[in-house]
Amino acid sequence: SQQGEEDPQALSIQEGENATMNCSYKTSINNLQWYRQNSGRGLVHLILIRSNEREKHSGRLRVTLDTSKKSSSLLITASRAADTASYFCATENFYNQGGKLIFGQGTELSVKP
Amino acid sequence: DVKVTQSSRYLVKRTGEKVFLECVQDMDHENMFWYRQDPGLGLRLIYFSYDVKMKEKGDIPEGYSVSREKKERFSLILESASTNQTSMYLCASSFLGGTGYTFGSGTRLTVV
Repeated sequence: SQQGEEDPQALSIQEGENATMNCSYKTSINNLQWYRQNSGRGLVHLILIRSNEREKHSGRLRVTLDTSKKSSSLLITASRAADTASYFCATENFYNQGGKLIFGQGTELSVKP
Repeated sequence: DVKVTQSSRYLVKRTGEKVFLECVQDMDHENMFWYRQDPGLGLRLIYFSYDVKMKEKGDIPEGYSVSREKKERFSLILESASTNQTSMYLCASSFLGGTGYTFGSGTRLTVV
């Protein structure tokens, strides 16, 4: 079952611009995570934000979480061609989902040099 | 560098064959997972395991089984491969309690 829904499905920007991706989910969560997937490869964990946190930073990444709206956003600042990848949000609920991550469909980001 | 290693990057099998996909992690993680990824369907959980010899069905377990005899190894078994099992298979592992998953590089399986 898919819980997270990313928006937009695809995003194309120029190098140096900021990229914003959004994620909405349906049920309560313990944390929300963002992952990146380069074409044909496995997923790489980027950042985890817990349900009692509102914002988190990691390098050029900024994640926000609004539990009242059941939504999160991932901002990549000063994007580079190497940021071209698919980005997935995933939610974790220890009690209802038994610690399993439920992934959204992903946003395909293309950064043009 | 911590790793989740999947035994094959690409695999081609015939319909009806028994297929084994192996996954090994070196991080002493309790949890291990098998997902398949298909265009338009995203990642779907097949099976997962919280401990040695324990297994739980995910969202799409039909046609699959798993084995976890040692903590570091989680095997996915396609009992009788069918063409609708052509997919990218992703193994992942994690500690208990929400610290993020580490994924393998994936196995692209084609069943002909």
